[in-house]
Amino acid sequence: DIQMTQSPSSLSASVGDRVTITCRASQSISNYLNWYQQRPGKAPKLLIYAASSVHRGVPSRFSGSGSGTDFTLTISSLQPEDFATYYCQQSYISPTFTFGPGTKVDFK
Amino acid sequence: QLQLQESGPGLVKPSETLSLTCTVSGGSISSSNYYWGWIRQPPGKGLEWIGSIDYSGSSHYNPSLKSRVTISVDTSKNQFSLKLSSVTAADTAVYYCARHFDAYNWIDPWGQGTLVTVSS
Repeated sequence: DIQMTQSPSSLSASVGDRVTITCRASQSISNYLNWYQQRPGKAPKLLIYAASSVHRGVPSRFSGSGSGTDFTLTISSLQPEDFATYYCQQSYISPTFTFGPGTKVDFK
Repeated sequence: QLQLQESGPGLVKPSETLSLTCTVSGGSISSSNYYWGWIRQPPGKGLEWIGSIDYSGSSHYNPSLKSRVTISVDTSKNQFSLKLSSVTAADTAVYYCARHFDAYNWIDPWGQGTLVTVSS
């Protein structure tokens, strides 16, 4: 099984901050990595697919990078609506997939 | 705009079978290149993929749940369904239905989710 880890598990930040979240796979997954945002009480929303492609309608402050085992989600300037939990998802062996444990971004 | 909506009992007794249905609107479940899946989230915890099915009925399951899970599709009703047998309190979660693409399996859209509690 491919295991996913995320760091940090939580972080505190302020509006305007640059935020970086890391996701690591237990083996190489090429670029089969997607990112989601989940606000409290809501379903997750797709942000980034194939490691670096921004989903339609997602603000340009969100970006993704990486390949192999190490991936990064960056929010260039944190906005109030960005305080949420972020999950990575690997899908190397389609159509199965697993999620990372999540990173919670809250107010400093 | 494609929308998915979960329906089913919000309370299930231990050892019984959890049954949920996802109704797809605004598009056809018979579209190729897509899978239709179930994902759950225990209260305060992370996301767990349960399993997925395509329009032809080809299904795939999380190995940790495979012995208890059945997912089926009804193209005439534009619905797909989940059955999880022998439930325990550990199966208490918000259950989401969703569509994912067969290439990178990115998931969009998701249903709003339905809380299922396992309790006597």
